[in-house]
Amino acid sequence: DADVTQTPRNRITKTGKRIMLECSQTKGHDRMYWYRQDPGLGLRLIYYSFDVKDINKGEISDGYSVSRQAQAKFSLSLESAIPNQTALYFCATSPRKGSHEQYFGPGTRLTVT
Amino acid sequence: AQSVTQPDIHITVSEGASLELRCNYSYGATPYLFWYVQSPGQGLQLLLKYFSGDTLVQGIKGFEAEFKRSQSSFNLRKPSVHWSDAAEYFCAVGAGTYKYIFGTGTRLKVLA
Repeated sequence: DADVTQTPRNRITKTGKRIMLECSQTKGHDRMYWYRQDPGLGLRLIYYSFDVKDINKGEISDGYSVSRQAQAKFSLSLESAIPNQTALYFCATSPRKGSHEQYFGPGTRLTVT
Repeated sequence: AQSVTQPDIHITVSEGASLELRCNYSYGATPYLFWYVQSPGQGLQLLLKYFSGDTLVQGIKGFEAEFKRSQSSFNLRKPSVHWSDAAEYFCAVGAGTYKYIFGTGTRLKVLA
């Protein structure tokens, strides 16, 4: 089984709808992240969480919110989706100490029409 | 400002040929450096990382990378490319204890 899972893997939604993307991990890591990937722009950080009570904005948090329901679960919400939020979204985890490498989920492809 | 540059958007090589993907960074302190690969429809998989020590690091799938402080570079190499290496490759700098700065990626095409 994958260590970092994301649901759904693909989603098409309409402008103005609320949508939630979910991320779960079995790696036991404290830190979790949400990124979006756009062609030619690489990955950009939306939100990150160091533990359940520590949530922080990344570089492009406007229009997004998150919830850290448990150490293993980190959800990303679009309260009112807009077309320029069409992108590939990745969740990642990393341990609190030691290496700084991040482990990525398979991604969620979101299309807002 | 902190940044990562991957100057080649697309690279095409023949199967069996050698490969070098370029990565240059701008960061004030000694960085943590990473190369990730993204196959079509997949997430990002870590190929290799540099934290300290030997500046030539070995990774998975036969890849290696060399950290050159004087050139602010961390280029990825493979002596003989396989068709399965076709993917997009991302260089990243660990800027602090949590933040990654990603390059914009290099898409590799392998000719049979």
